[in-house]
Amino acid sequence: GAVVSQHPSWVICKSGTSVKIECRSLDFQATTMFWYRQFPKQSLMLMATSNEGSKATYEQGVEKDKFLINHASLTLSTLTVTSAHPEDSSFYICSARDKGLPHGYTFGSGTRLTVV
Amino acid sequence: KQEVTQIPAALSVPEGENLVLNCSFTDSAIYNLQWFRQDPGKGLTSLLLIQSSQREQTSGRLNASLDKSSGRSTLYIAASQPGDSATYLCAVSGNTDKLIFGTGTRLQVFP
Repeated sequence: GAVVSQHPSWVICKSGTSVKIECRSLDFQATTMFWYRQFPKQSLMLMATSNEGSKATYEQGVEKDKFLINHASLTLSTLTVTSAHPEDSSFYICSARDKGLPHGYTFGSGTRLTVV
Repeated sequence: KQEVTQIPAALSVPEGENLVLNCSFTDSAIYNLQWFRQDPGKGLTSLLLIQSSQREQTSGRLNASLDKSSGRSTLYIAASQPGDSATYLCAVSGNTDKLIFGTGTRLQVFP
């Protein structure tokens, strides 16, 4: 089945530094990838949608200059949290849409970001 | 704006019970509905995907139904096991290509 690999699974960084999270579709081409943020015991909040080769579309209230998304190929999307602050600490999850199964979504294993 | 609600928010049952988890959505114009499982600190595992033209899907001990007109879906878990303990999320997609998630049901099955 479709597999999405997300790295790193966890990261600790200092305030003011930037962190990059990668999301790869291993056995399928993902025309669209999605990035979510999840707070403890809450559901997933969509941050942005990225299409290969074009700029990401951000949800209302999400700072595009803080959360940089790049979708350079059909199998790779990256989320960079720039100038991270403790309030950016959260669980980030990516999702990819399978071209072969247009209505199915496959999720990565998530990244736990802690900013100290 | 699509809103997805799940009831109950939490559920604790003894092993062997049959369970019903509920999901409701406000806009019936959906393309599909998907049920996911999430273990603590982990990503999401897709359980069942129901296309808008379908009424139900089954996988092993899981059965999901969809009533688009009333904006409801149920996930039925037969003969629950401790390994079923997790958070269950339903999500709907529409013409915007985005998945809108429900609030989740935290399930605990004790031996």
